[in-house]
Formats: sequence, C-alpha cells, structure tokens
Amino acid sequence: AQRVTQPEKLLSVFKGAPVELKCNYSYSGSPELFWYVQYSRQRLQLLLRHISRESIKGFTADLNKGETSFHLKKPFAQEEDSAMYYCALSAGFQKLVFGTGTRLLVSP
Amino acid sequence: DAGVIQSPRHEVTEMGQEVTLRCKPISGHNSLFWYRQTMMRGLELLIYFNNNVPIDDSGMPEDRFSAKMPNASFSTLKIQPSEPRDSAVYFCASSQGWGQPQHFGDGTRLSIL
Repeated sequence: AQRVTQPEKLLSVFKGAPVELKCNYSYSGSPELFWYVQYSRQRLQLLLRHISRESIKGFTADLNKGETSFHLKKPFAQEEDSAMYYCALSAGFQKLVFGTGTRLLVSP
Repeated sequence: DAGVIQSPRHEVTEMGQEVTLRCKPISGHNSLFWYRQTMMRGLELLIYFNNNVPIDDSGMPEDRFSAKMPNASFSTLKIQPSEPRDSAVYFCASSQGWGQPQHFGDGTRLSIL
C-alpha cells in the first residue's frame, strides 16, 4: 500500500534558523515525490518535485530511497515561509497520495 | 491562464439540502481530481477522472456523494442529502498526465448547519 508519513503536525522555528520538514513514504515501485505548499487560505501550490532536482524559494528536497524519505530543507527560514506543507507520492495512474501535512511557523 | 476555477468559493446550507460544487480544469489537462480537506483527516482524494472517465472513486465516502464530468472543461461534485459532517474545504485539481504535477483550484469552503 502507498503511504506518506509526515510525523510533525507543527514545526515552529525562529527566522534565520534551518528548517527540515520530514517525509517518509511507503511504496514498492519507483516513486515520484512532490512537496506542495498552502499559504493561509490559499490554494495548494506545487513547491518542488524530486525529478526536477531544483531549489524553489530556497527549499530543496532529496529523495533517499534507502531511507524512503524525501525531507524538505531550507538553511535559513523566513517569516513568509509560514504555511502548511504537504508531501505527496505519485503511485501510478496519476493518483497522488498526500501526507497529513506539517504546519511551519516561522517567528521573528 | 486562470488556472483551475471552482465555484462557489463558500457555501453555507442546512443539512438535508443538495449541494453542488463545480470545477473547470485548466484547458488541455486530461485528468481531474476532487479532494476534501479537514482538520482531522487532512487532504483526501475523493475521485479522479482521466479523459472524462472516472478512474478511481474509492475515496468517495458514501452514496450521498456523486461526481460527474460531462466534458473536458467541467466537473461537478454533488452531495445529496448533505450532513454536518460533510463540512470541509473541497478542492479540485487538474493535471496534464501521468507523473505531472497537479494544479489546484482555490477550493470551496462548505458549511452544513
């Protein structure tokens, strides 16, 4: 069964601190993984996908197949990064399985 | 491109009433998804269509929920009769194909009294 686990419901950091949002997945095939972000009362937006190996808004995520993880990282958090972050797994037939999300709160 | 368009943005109605949520996907996208978001359960996939055909409706909670996609540019999610526990934000998303990212609408915030 496909499953995405985000163990932290809330992550609170100070501005300028490093951030790591954890994501672990369970999937027997070759996964496609995504991070989506939802700012307050806005639509979900794609933040990044592992296949493109890019950095968006200073965030990066590396797929670790050995640890079945796709953690989202940023070296220096900004207040505008405060949002809800969802890790998602594409498990065939275009279906996305989402984690329960982690709320990131960046304080000044 | 206006993106995925959902209507209404907000809906408040009494239990027992029929509720219809609407979605217009991005032109050229051949897949459409309906999600429900609640505090307790997060984001749940209800149903998705590929080329207007329902592919997986295993997430639809019960027979009170139904979804249609009569053409490539329009889909509806209907709840009849509605119940207070259906209160949630309902998102529609579309994508170009397998492995491609999904683009979400603004959602419909539904409150059943």
